[in-house]
Amino acid sequence: QVQLVESGGGLVKPGGSLRLSCAASGFTFSDYYMSWIRQAPGKGLEWVSYISSSGSTIYYADSVKGRFTISRDNAKNSLYLQMNSLRAEDTAVYYCARVVIVVDPTRGGYFDYWGQGTLVTVSS
Amino acid sequence: EIVLTQSPGTLSLSPGERATLSCRASQSVSSSYLAWYQQKPGQAPRLLIYGASSRATGIPDRFSGSGSGTDFTLTISRLEPEDFAVYYCQQYGSSPRLTFGGGTKVEIK
Repeated sequence: QVQLVESGGGLVKPGGSLRLSCAASGFTFSDYYMSWIRQAPGKGLEWVSYISSSGSTIYYADSVKGRFTISRDNAKNSLYLQMNSLRAEDTAVYYCARVVIVVDPTRGGYFDYWGQGTLVTVSS
Repeated sequence: EIVLTQSPGTLSLSPGERATLSCRASQSVSSSYLAWYQQKPGQAPRLLIYGASSRATGIPDRFSGSGSGTDFTLTISRLEPEDFAVYYCQQYGSSPRLTFGGGTKVEIK
């Protein structure tokens, strides 16, 4: 069965950095686009970024562009999110999710499997 | 960017009742590329509906989606105890900037 397991969350000071990981299993990881989505405490869902199956195509939300970097290692069945210049408003549970592309990659897709999430807290 | 507005914010109903949730888009959603997710406290969201009306694998048929253009609806025909949760809509198919609605909480009356 499809499994996505995030790790790497924790407490970090404003301006600091953190790297999240997502270990995938139960499907051919290299065949799928993958994404990060976050949820601030008590709030709704916010899409962060997605990456193509090969890693060559990447999109970011405006709120994280220039600060966050998504990447993947298909040999390790792993997805990553490098987060730099962190702000208090980045505090959230970060989910990795598998993306189903319906039209073409420039138009995104929906998320058919989600991990359980990892909490990132940005506070001094 | 397409903004999705969900209503009502909270729906108070009893088990066995019908739930009707609305998701309105700020502009037409291309080819009805709209998904619905269910989230229970402390859990990750779960895909319910994609393409506005197609149920995801394993989703009971009491869940149905409808709509097109800018107005979409998720209907739960008869609420089961496990259906009390928060529901989100999400649009795709227009641009790489994917957006979610603010959510509707279905609570026990």
